[in-house]
Amino acid sequence: KQEVTQIPAALSVPEGENLVLNCSFTDSAIYNLQWFRQDPGKGLTSLLLIQSSQREQTSGRLNASLDKSSGRSTLYIAASQPGDSATYLCAVLPFGGTSYGKLTFGQGTILTVHP
Amino acid sequence: DVKVTQSSRYLVKRTGEKVFLECVQDMDHENMFWYRQDPGLGLRLIYFSYDVKMKEKGDIPEGYSVSREKKERFSLILESASTNQTSMYLCASSNARVGSSYEQYFGPGTRLTVT
Repeated sequence: KQEVTQIPAALSVPEGENLVLNCSFTDSAIYNLQWFRQDPGKGLTSLLLIQSSQREQTSGRLNASLDKSSGRSTLYIAASQPGDSATYLCAVLPFGGTSYGKLTFGQGTILTVHP
Repeated sequence: DVKVTQSSRYLVKRTGEKVFLECVQDMDHENMFWYRQDPGLGLRLIYFSYDVKMKEKGDIPEGYSVSREKKERFSLILESASTNQTSMYLCASSNARVGSSYEQYFGPGTRLTVT
């Protein structure tokens, strides 16, 4: 059974720092991996999706990498801002699961960027 | 722009009431999902649907039912609401066509309180 772990559970950094959020998964047979952001009391917003054949994806100050063989993904946030404060979740789609699209989620990392 | 909408942002119901949570997506997605999210427990899948009138149980279906009469609409039904169903409910959808990204998109969430 696929398990997804996110470390650290919480992170507090000063504004301007570059930071890395980690996501690990136990079964490397994945189709893709998705990173989400969630603000308090809101739904999830998709940030980046990496296909299993890709090594990384970039969007603005965000860069997500994928090392399928080692079961790891990282989300790199450059020059962090207070507006980046949120919970970040990663989720994997199993290789044989594209018909149903069921994701396995990590527990999330709560990020606080203080001025 | 992908849009997943939920009928209510906040809902307060009494114990024993029948509760309907509605979700609509405008991207012609095959797959639709209902999750609940509780502090410390993360996201848990209640039910999902991969086609009109087709449904599958998720991890915690007890006390819930679903309906999908039209492709764009997926309803979650609490037959007799109980206080332990107080939670944040999140709807999501994704494309299941071969060659698509299978990216999952979420609605804004419904905060349900059962008193």
